[in-house]
Amino acid sequence: NAGVTQTPKFRILKIGQSMTLQCTQDMNHNYMYWYRQDPGMGLKLIYYSVGAGITDKGEVPNGYNVSRSTTEDFPLRLELAAPSQTSVYFCASSYPGVVYEQYFGPGTRLTVT
Amino acid sequence: GQQVMQIPQYQHVQEGEDFTTYCNSSTTLSNIQWYKQRPGGHPVFLIQLVKSGEVKKQKRLTFQFGEAKKNSSLHITATQTTDVGTYFCAFSGAGSYQLTFGKGTKLSVIP
Repeated sequence: NAGVTQTPKFRILKIGQSMTLQCTQDMNHNYMYWYRQDPGMGLKLIYYSVGAGITDKGEVPNGYNVSRSTTEDFPLRLELAAPSQTSVYFCASSYPGVVYEQYFGPGTRLTVT
Repeated sequence: GQQVMQIPQYQHVQEGEDFTTYCNSSTTLSNIQWYKQRPGGHPVFLIQLVKSGEVKKQKRLTFQFGEAKKNSSLHITATQTTDVGTYFCAFSGAGSYQLTFGKGTKLSVIP
């Protein structure tokens, strides 16, 4: 199993541009999440999904959109990029068992200038 | 909403010394998870604690959940350079799978 994969690894955007961060998991997990991590900070939840067709906002959803058309994929869309969106973005997935550890992808480092 | 405070923010230790990080909440937590993130890497799950007073060990790592379920600790005995990284605690609300993370404790080990 590849686990959780994310593309791209790095990206530089100009202010106002848009992009989609891709996330795919091959563990058949129902739950998927998007986090952002700013330097010296913990992870903040942007959006999450409990299954295909179902998404909901996390703590910091403004400026982002998501969709979940399949169990495997959970893309994150940035519209009108702003410097405040410069961050490292992590996708994660989990299975709702007794121990629901989250499995993280390698991250996308995004710079908006 | 609920939050957790992690202390210390940074810790520098000589290799072989012990290390402890604490995770404190003002409200009762239903569970606590611990993750490790190596420099430049992604968070990796270490353990989940659910019961009041629970203690779990993984080799040199000891995890505790307080009796009141308001605090937790991670203790590393005889640190090694492979222990370098940031340790995060995280919790979810009752019946929820969303995690709220602390800001982490960054551990440096001096060889």
